[in-house]
Amino acid sequence: GNSVTQMEGPVTLSEEAFLTINCTYTATGYPSLFWYVQYPGEGLQLLLKATKADDKGSNKGFEATYRKETTSFHLEKGSVQVSDSAVYFCALSDAYSGGGADGLTFGKGTHLIIQP
Amino acid sequence: DTEVTQTPKHLVMGMTNKKSLKCEQHMGHRAMYWYKQKAKKPPELMFVYSYEKLSINESVPSRFSPECPNSSLLNLHLHALQPEDSALYLCASSAPGYSGNTIYFGEGSWLTVV
Repeated sequence: GNSVTQMEGPVTLSEEAFLTINCTYTATGYPSLFWYVQYPGEGLQLLLKATKADDKGSNKGFEATYRKETTSFHLEKGSVQVSDSAVYFCALSDAYSGGGADGLTFGKGTHLIIQP
Repeated sequence: DTEVTQTPKHLVMGMTNKKSLKCEQHMGHRAMYWYKQKAKKPPELMFVYSYEKLSINESVPSRFSPECPNSSLLNLHLHALQPEDSALYLCASSAPGYSGNTIYFGEGSWLTVV
């Protein structure tokens, strides 16, 4: 079956530090990969995605590259801000599980805390 | 417009009550989802509707009853819930047919069962 593993945290960093949140996956097919962010008291927002190997997703200074050889999709940001404090979920959707209407397989989420 | 709208935002109900959660999207998406999220956990898939037909039920207890009246609306009917059903209920939608299509989430409905 499909699964996503990510570091759970909490991860505490100082403002302007470099961020890496690791995410690895197992999938039976050729998945699309996503990072979602959840701010306190809110729903999930798509942060970025990549749909095939070597694709790089980017948004709001965050980046992640789809690495098929290492089955990874690590999230990075060069300089974090206090406003980046949130929970980050890595997720996959499997191309062979019904054509993309089967929902997402989520990692457990990483709670990121940025201190001023 | 990439918005999924959920109402109500907060709901408190007794164990003998009947209530409903509502979800609406106008993105033309033909796949709609209900997820349940407990504190500090990832969302758990409950139901998927594809082209207004129930395609996935993840062994959800019958006290949760989904309904998709049309391609824009999704309801979750609640009856005889237990306190452990208290959670954030998230609605989502996407265009089916390709795993790379983004699944858009609403802000959620916070449910407390007393």
